[in-house]
Amino acid sequence: KAGVTQTPRYLIKTRGQQVTLSCSPISGHRSVSWYQQTPGQGLQFLFEYFSETQRNKGNFPGRFSGRQFSNSRSEMNVSTLELGDSALYLCASSPVRRLDEKLFFGSGTQLSVL
Amino acid sequence: SQELEQSPQSLIVQEGKNLTINCTSSKTLYGLYWYKQKYGEGLIFLMMLQKGGEEKSHEKITAKLDEKKQQSSLHITASQPSHAGIYLCGADILSGTSYGKLTFGQGTILTVHP
Repeated sequence: KAGVTQTPRYLIKTRGQQVTLSCSPISGHRSVSWYQQTPGQGLQFLFEYFSETQRNKGNFPGRFSGRQFSNSRSEMNVSTLELGDSALYLCASSPVRRLDEKLFFGSGTQLSVL
Repeated sequence: SQELEQSPQSLIVQEGKNLTINCTSSKTLYGLYWYKQKYGEGLIFLMMLQKGGEEKSHEKITAKLDEKKQQSSLHITASQPSHAGIYLCGADILSGTSYGKLTFGQGTILTVHP
C-alpha cells in the first residue's frame, strides 16, 4: 500500500497570499488529521476530519481551514499568510476513529512565507 | 509550559551505549505514542502504550508506561548511528475521546557518534 502522500513537498509564498495543501491518506483510511510543526512551538494539532466532517479542531485562527472529500483525500487552506505560518505541515491518517489506532504520517509540506 | 515534557531535550551518545528518554504529563495519558522523525520529514511510528504498567519492545527499543499513566520512558539498548533522529512522544491527554488529536512533547534530538 502507498503511504500518506502530501503535495507539494515545498512551497514558497509571500505575506498576504493564500495556500492550499493536499493530503492523500492510505487507501481505506477514513480519518485525516493535520499538524503544524515549528521550531518554537513544536507539533501542534490543527484539525481532524472523518467522513467529510470536521470532528476536532485545535487552537488556530480562522485563517486555517480544511476539508475532506468523499474519497477521504483532504486539503487545508491558509489565507492571508503571515511570516509565522512558515512551518512543516504534516498530515496523518488512520483507518477509523479509535484510540488504539496509530496515526500514519506523511512526509509533510514545508511552507516558507517571505 | 508544555503539557507533555520530554527530557532530555538533546542527547549525544557513543555508539553502543544505552540511553533513556522520558515523557511526563501532569494529566492522565489516554494512549501514549512514540514516534521518530528525521529532520524536515514525517513521523515514523515506533510504539503505542495504553495500559498502566504496559511495556513493549521492538528490536533494541523498549517503551514503558508507568502505573499511574502519567509518565513514559523510551530506552534504547546498544545504540547505533541509525537510531539518530528526533524522538517525539504524543498522547491524548484530554478525555480519551480526542481521536486523531494528539498532544506532542517538544522532542528529544538524539545524536549517535560512531
